[in-house]
Amino acid sequence: EPEVTQTPSHQVTQMGQEVILRCVPISNHLYFYWYRQILGQKVEFLVSFYNNEISEKSEIFDDQFSVERPDGSNFTLKIRSTKLEDSAMYFCAGQKTEAFFGQGTRLTVV
Amino acid sequence: AQRVTQPEKLLSVFKGAPVELKCNYSYSGSPELFWYVQYSRQRLQLLLRHISRESIKGFTADLNKGETSFHLKKPFAQEEDSAMYYCALSGYNQGGKLIFGQGTELSVKP
Repeated sequence: EPEVTQTPSHQVTQMGQEVILRCVPISNHLYFYWYRQILGQKVEFLVSFYNNEISEKSEIFDDQFSVERPDGSNFTLKIRSTKLEDSAMYFCAGQKTEAFFGQGTRLTVV
Repeated sequence: AQRVTQPEKLLSVFKGAPVELKCNYSYSGSPELFWYVQYSRQRLQLLLRHISRESIKGFTADLNKGETSFHLKKPFAQEEDSAMYYCALSGYNQGGKLIFGQGTELSVKP
């Protein structure tokens, strides 16, 4: 059964550094999402992407964040200058009729 | 405001006991309601959605629009049901983001 794949599974980065989180959705998915979950808190929507552009974004998704789907397969989330409070699990999801989630990337900012 | 509330952070039951995980929602319009499950160290996966009216792994959930609830029930809990359970809603437009509750950890003791 095809899966949504995220890399890396765990990333540690210094505050102020740029990070890129990668996701490979299932090939027939039309909609793509990033969510995050800070430890002990709920899963929060960050951004949705459809037809090669952002369709919706949350208040969390400020100018430090960007998404790309450069080659029609990889879907990336970039955080330009990481802050301590960006430490969280980041989940990618792809959807045709229902959302399928990746296993998540644990980002630790030190 | 769009919101999903799961009042119980942890629910602990013995094997064979009935289980009810509570979910209430607030949404202006007609949302689609979901239950997602996350087993230990695995990805979020869809358990069931209200429009399909299925029973998955013995779990059922009925949408009560009057009480704005979508409680998850199982008559006889099994140890393998131990996991995090997330209630979520989405607008009926295709590609809509998911709004999650805080999650309830279900622990089924032998």
